Amino acid sequence: DGGITQSPKYLFRKEGQNVTLSCEQNLNHDAMYWYRQDPGQGLRLIYYSQIVNDFQKGDIAEGYSVSREKKESFPLTVTSAQKNPTAFYLCASSIGISNQPQHFGDGTRLSIL
Amino acid sequence: AQSVTQPDIHITVSEGASLELRCNYSYGATPYLFWYVQSPGQGLQLLLKYFSGDTLVQGIKGFEAEFKRSQSSFNLRKPSVHWSDAAEYFCAVGFGGSQGNLIFGKGTKLSVKP
Repeated sequence: DGGITQSPKYLFRKEGQNVTLSCEQNLNHDAMYWYRQDPGQGLRLIYYSQIVNDFQKGDIAEGYSVSREKKESFPLTVTSAQKNPTAFYLCASSIGISNQPQHFGDGTRLSIL
Repeated sequence: AQSVTQPDIHITVSEGASLELRCNYSYGATPYLFWYVQSPGQGLQLLLKYFSGDTLVQGIKGFEAEFKRSQSSFNLRKPSVHWSDAAEYFCAVGFGGSQGNLIFGKGTKLSVKP
């Protein structure tokens, strides 16, 4: 079955550490996205990518970085510059960038030790 | 500015009762409209979508939604709620343009009483 795989399910970070969240899709989708979800805040867009080797900042990109070296993969790094990283992170993909339905992974919950 | 509003943060209904979740948007043209459901600790699952045509759309799990242009609304309905429908529901809107990213509402949490 095609889908989006996020790993790990739970991740813990120490102060001052960078951590990388994995997102892999086998849907052959061109576009991929990272969202942050906090209680009562809905989904906020961190970064998105329309094609390989290209990505754009979303609404809350500060303290995060991404890469898109392969169509299937869109890892998110939460850097030490992100002062409040504790959240649920969701990766999504879609056929194209323009108003297409997005398919979601099961998320990674990041906590600070 | 383009926006999406889900006015109800939390709704509780009895099992077997009907359900309507509200979604309103602010935009000058017809947007692309979606409803998603999220169970605790899981990702979002697409329930249904509206792009054009018939304003009443059917989705999975017995849900339907109606687009009303005059009210800028896209409300989600279900005639008889099951306990397994307890989850959080998100309305999402695509406003077109070169980027075409979806904007998500803040969600409505549905609780179901036995």
